[in-house]
Formats: sequence, structure tokens, C-alpha cells
Amino acid sequence: LAKTTQPISMDSYEGQEVNITCSHNNIATNDYITWYQQFPSQGPRFIIQGYKTKVTNEVASLFIPADRKSSTLSLPRVSLSDTAVYYCLVGDETTDTGRRALTFGSGTRLQVQP
Amino acid sequence: DGGITQSPKYLFRKEGQNVTLSCEQNLNHDAMYWYRQDPGQGLRLIYYSQIVNDFQKGDIAEGYSVSREKKESFPLTVTSAQKNPTAFYLCASSIGQGYRNQPQHFGDGTRLSIL
Repeated sequence: LAKTTQPISMDSYEGQEVNITCSHNNIATNDYITWYQQFPSQGPRFIIQGYKTKVTNEVASLFIPADRKSSTLSLPRVSLSDTAVYYCLVGDETTDTGRRALTFGSGTRLQVQP
Repeated sequence: DGGITQSPKYLFRKEGQNVTLSCEQNLNHDAMYWYRQDPGQGLRLIYYSQIVNDFQKGDIAEGYSVSREKKESFPLTVTSAQKNPTAFYLCASSIGQGYRNQPQHFGDGTRLSIL
């Protein structure tokens, strides 16, 4: 099973750039890497998705090296409202039982200080 | 606005009782999912459905049941066989029939507690 590993927590200050790395050594060839943001008592919200190299949108950038065994979510100039849990998601598939399972990482708790 | 609606927001269950959590979407998405989240933990997949009248078990399907009679609805029943049902339940949907590589849209969850 492909498993993701992220730092448990990170601290930052307003205006700084934050980089959160996710490790996914067993990523499948056709899998994309997707990042979500979750606030307390709310459902996760899609941030960004990529397959390789670099993807950028209005809120974040995603860097994926050539071997795709890891990815880095980059949040430019964070604010207090970016305090949340960030999840790295990689598609997964089991073959022994025929079931498929999506694997959310344990998430990274980002705390942004004034 | 299009989105996913989960109800109720809070739900209490007595021992030995089945309860059903509602999930409705008006995004015209084919695929729908149910996750369970325990305090301080990530999300675990319970069931998913790629199309009407079809659904598959996720990693922790025991003690749960679902139905998908309509495209926009995917209710989850927590049965009395689920010995530890207290958790935050999240419903999601995605645009395609294949679940992989499709960004998911989530509802705001139902928090289930045992009385």
C-alpha cells in the first residue's frame, strides 16, 4: 500500500513562506498527488494537484521531483487564516482483495503566529 | 451554490441503535465517498460509490452500510455492529466515475456520539 508521511506539525509567522513535504515512496505510475486543507469541524478543501515537476495556482505551488517519491506544498506569505491541517493524498490500490483504498496522510498541523 | 450537504451536524446514538447520516450533492458528480475521522487523526475511507446502484467497501466498512439509489444521494447507516461509532463523518464527491486522481469536494461533516 502506498503510504504518505508528513511532519506532524509546523510553526510559522505571518508573511513567511511555508513548505510542507510529503513522502510517498510507493506512488503508482498513474497516481496524482493532491493536497487538501482542513479547518476544525469542517471538511477538507482541495488546494492543489499535480503529477510531476511544478504546479502553481492562486493559493499554492506544488513541487514534485522526477522520481515522484515526495512532493512539497509551498504556501507563499502565510497569514493567520492559513492555520489548519494540511493533508497529502495519493491514490492507492490493493490487489489482494480487489478493494481500493485512498490514503490520507496523518496531516501536518500548521500554526501561523502573528 | 453547488455543494455537498450533510445532515444532521450533530447526532447522538443509543447503544444497539442504527442511525443514518444523510449526504446530498447538487454538483452532478458521479462518485461519492464516506470517510471517518477520529480526533487528531486523518481520514479513513468507509465506502465509496462510482455510479448509481453500485458501491464498494473501503478500509473500514465493517459495521456500516450504504445505498446509492439516486445520483445526488449517498446515505450512510451506522449499525449496532459498529462498536466504536463515535467519530466525525465526512461525505465527499468527485466528478468522474474513477475515484483516483479526481479532486474531491467535501461536506462539513456529521459528528456522531454515543449516549
